[in-house]
Amino acid sequence: NIVLTQSPATLSVTPGESVSLSCRASQSISTSIHWYQQKSNESPRLLIKYASQSISGIPSRFSGSGSGTDFTLSINRVESEDFSIYYCQQSYSSLYTFGAGTKLELK
Amino acid sequence: EVKLQQSGDELVRPGASVKMSCKASGYTFTDYAMHWVKQSPGQGLEWIGTIIPLIDTTSYNQKFKGKATLTADKSSNTAYMELSRLTSEDSAVYYCASTKSAPFAYWGQGTLVTVSS
Repeated sequence: NIVLTQSPATLSVTPGESVSLSCRASQSISTSIHWYQQKSNESPRLLIKYASQSISGIPSRFSGSGSGTDFTLSINRVESEDFSIYYCQQSYSSLYTFGAGTKLELK
Repeated sequence: EVKLQQSGDELVRPGASVKMSCKASGYTFTDYAMHWVKQSPGQGLEWIGTIIPLIDTTSYNQKFKGKATLTADKSSNTAYMELSRLTSEDSAVYYCASTKSAPFAYWGQGTLVTVSS
């Protein structure tokens, strides 16, 4: 199975800061990575598909980059509503796997 | 508007089975795969399996083979997941999620399963 390692596990920031969340795959997966946001007691929400493709209705401050094994979710100027958990997920293999998540918290 | 409506929360006895549903609307049910995901309390997301409703083909995470059974009813646009021989380790929120332009593009609201005597 393809293992996804997210770092850091927790990121403490103040609103207005810009941040980068990392996701590393155990083997090359081209751009078959997707990012999700999960707020407390809510279902996950798709933020970015195929590493860098935007999703309708998602604020433009969210962007993704990377290919191969290293991927990044960037949030430009974090807002209060962004404090939640972020997961990456791969679809290179049909045995789908998720990363363990990065918790974005208020400093 | 795509919507996935999941069935209500369940309280079940150890050793029993539970079957939950996920009714899709806003798109052609047979056009896209449906996935199921487990989230244990305070934990991350774990893929259980996928069903392709058009051809009734399923694939499972090896960990859930024998535990989960996925089915779909094309006449009612509803996907089902049955969990068998329940233990406390099966207490979790279970989500369905459909593929439409991305593998887990749309999510249901989740079904909480609590296994307790």
